[in-house]
Amino acid sequence: DAKTTQPPSMDCAEGRAANLPCNHSTISGNEYVYWYRQIHSQGPQYIIHGLKNNETNEMASLIITEDRKSSTLILPHATLRDTAVYYCIVRKNSGGSNYKLTFGKGTLLTVNP
Amino acid sequence: NAGVMQNPRHLVRRRGQEARLRCSPMKGHSHVYWYRQLPEEGLKFMVYLQKENIIDESGMPKERFSAEFPKEGPSILRIQQVVRGDSAAYFCASSSQDRASSPLHFGNGTRLTVT
Repeated sequence: DAKTTQPPSMDCAEGRAANLPCNHSTISGNEYVYWYRQIHSQGPQYIIHGLKNNETNEMASLIITEDRKSSTLILPHATLRDTAVYYCIVRKNSGGSNYKLTFGKGTLLTVNP
Repeated sequence: NAGVMQNPRHLVRRRGQEARLRCSPMKGHSHVYWYRQLPEEGLKFMVYLQKENIIDESGMPKERFSAEFPKEGPSILRIQQVVRGDSAAYFCASSSQDRASSPLHFGNGTRLTVT
């Protein structure tokens, strides 16, 4: 699986947009970009995923660059409850083992009042 | 729409005892995955099951650990003769398909403490 690189930590003011970057320069054409987050003492929560196009749902937006080598997760109006570790994961689209998600260290997003 | 349910949330066992962790997948999901998170480490894949079948157990220790997903009832992760190194958070996830376009949804885990 392609390796991802994320900053270890970020801060954001409550009510502002949080933009979390992820580098996945070795991604191949058949791999999805997934984002999960883990709030302390809870299980990973699925946020969003995409292959080539930008995606938006009720939680966030995912912007994938045209060359697919990086992406940004956008939380449009961060709240204190969005404080969590955010994981960017590249997932195989075909072949075996596409369920073996590789969780790195992620980005600790702290939303400040 | 109930999510993935795991129980118990916390489990304390003495060394040498058995631990049984249960996972009920989301409604309509027939694919179940177990992950383990050791203290201060990332989540690691353990095993992937479909109803009555183990598909991939490559991440599970060869001894003392077993998993099942019977036709009826929850998936069970069983750890025999627990040791202190088994202390961790065990997360179950489920999905509706085994495709990369089908997200895994995780439960809130069982925190196992071995004393």
